[in-house]
Amino acid sequence: EAQVTQNPRYLITVTGKKLTVTCSQNMNHEYMSWYRQDPGLGLRQIYYSMNVEVTDKGDVPEGYKVSRKEKRNFPLILESPSPNQTSLYFCASSLTGTSGRASYNEQFFGPGTRLTVL
Amino acid sequence: KQEVTQIPAALSVPEGENLVLNCSFTDSAIYNLQWFRQDPGKGLTSLLLIQSSQREQTSGRLNASLDKSSGRSTLYIAASQPGDSATYLCAVRPRTDSWGKLQFGAGTQVVVTP
Repeated sequence: EAQVTQNPRYLITVTGKKLTVTCSQNMNHEYMSWYRQDPGLGLRQIYYSMNVEVTDKGDVPEGYKVSRKEKRNFPLILESPSPNQTSLYFCASSLTGTSGRASYNEQFFGPGTRLTVL
Repeated sequence: KQEVTQIPAALSVPEGENLVLNCSFTDSAIYNLQWFRQDPGKGLTSLLLIQSSQREQTSGRLNASLDKSSGRSTLYIAASQPGDSATYLCAVRPRTDSWGKLQFGAGTQVVVTP
């Protein structure tokens, strides 16, 4: 089954304790992205990656790191989490973004990771 | 910077009525626009994607139109059902150097009452 998986689905941690949220897709997609969703602020993009070893900042990258060493994986790293990073996080992927074929651009989302930083 | 707006923020309709959801964007230089559905506490499910060269896309009871020149897209859901209750979001992919930066609207929360 074609899907985007995220782990963990729920995480409660404390300020300053490094954590990684994993994201994996089995569709051979080039493009992957991380978002956070907060009440009243909607979905905001953190980082995205056009392909292996190619990443770029979204709108809210501060406090986050990413890496794209393999095509299927795009982990989100919080080196020193703070309470303002408490949020619902989504990973997404698409085959590409600029193809003339709609099916190549369609984004697929993971189920989300609810993170609480105390 | 691209701004995406969805109005209204919330909408309640009786079952059977047609739903009309609006999405507007400030920069017409886009590759595509995608509509999603989100159920409470859940992920996003893709509904329709419209390429910039297209005027509309249809899937079952759903129809999405795109008017790039006026910066608007409309999602129509025919004969609404209680199962259509969810938040609907639109997102645009800009046709610029930052095409990887998707911009989402804040969403329209829909309640369909039996």
